[in-house]
Amino acid sequence: EAQVTQNPRYLITVTGKKLTVTCSQNMNHEYMSWYRQDPGLGLRQIYYSMNVEVTDKGDVPEGYKVSRKEKRNFPLILESPSPNQTSLYFCASSLRASGANVLTFGAGSRLTVL
Amino acid sequence: QKEVEQNSGPLSVPEGAIASLNCTYSDRGSQSFFWYRQYSGKSPELIMSIYSNGDKEDGRFTAQLNKASQYVSLLIRDSQPSDSATYLCAVNVIGSSNTGKLIFGQGTTLQVKP
Repeated sequence: EAQVTQNPRYLITVTGKKLTVTCSQNMNHEYMSWYRQDPGLGLRQIYYSMNVEVTDKGDVPEGYKVSRKEKRNFPLILESPSPNQTSLYFCASSLRASGANVLTFGAGSRLTVL
Repeated sequence: QKEVEQNSGPLSVPEGAIASLNCTYSDRGSQSFFWYRQYSGKSPELIMSIYSNGDKEDGRFTAQLNKASQYVSLLIRDSQPSDSATYLCAVNVIGSSNTGKLIFGQGTTLQVKP
């Protein structure tokens, strides 16, 4: 089944404890992206990647890191999480970055930072 | 001005009625437009895409695009309680490097009452 898989789905952590949210897609998509969704603010892009070893900042990159060493994987790293990073996170991918950009989303990861 | 604007709602319609969801966008160069549906606690899923002016119909859903007015809408005919969800308008903005960035509106919550 074609899909985007995120893990963990739910996580409660404490301020400053490094964590990684994994994202993997099995559709050979070039483009991958991370979003966070907060009430009243909608979906905001954190980082995106147009292909292997090519990443760039989205609208809210502060406090996050990403890497794209393989085409299928795009992990999101929170080096020192803070309570304002409590949010619902979505990974998404699409075949290409240009033109019609139909995104397939993962199921989401709900993160709580205490 | 926000790049993609939607009325957050909630929009409440009776079962069987037509629900009309609206979206405006600021980038005149945008070429691709999408409607995603998001049930509470779930990830967004694509329901319609539209690329040229006019109407595009798919079952009970009709997307309408007017590039001159920078306006895109989604009509849902014969609304069902199962249509109750948040509907996200997304616009693909092409950057200087010809890569696309999908900008989301905040979403409109639709409630269909039996």
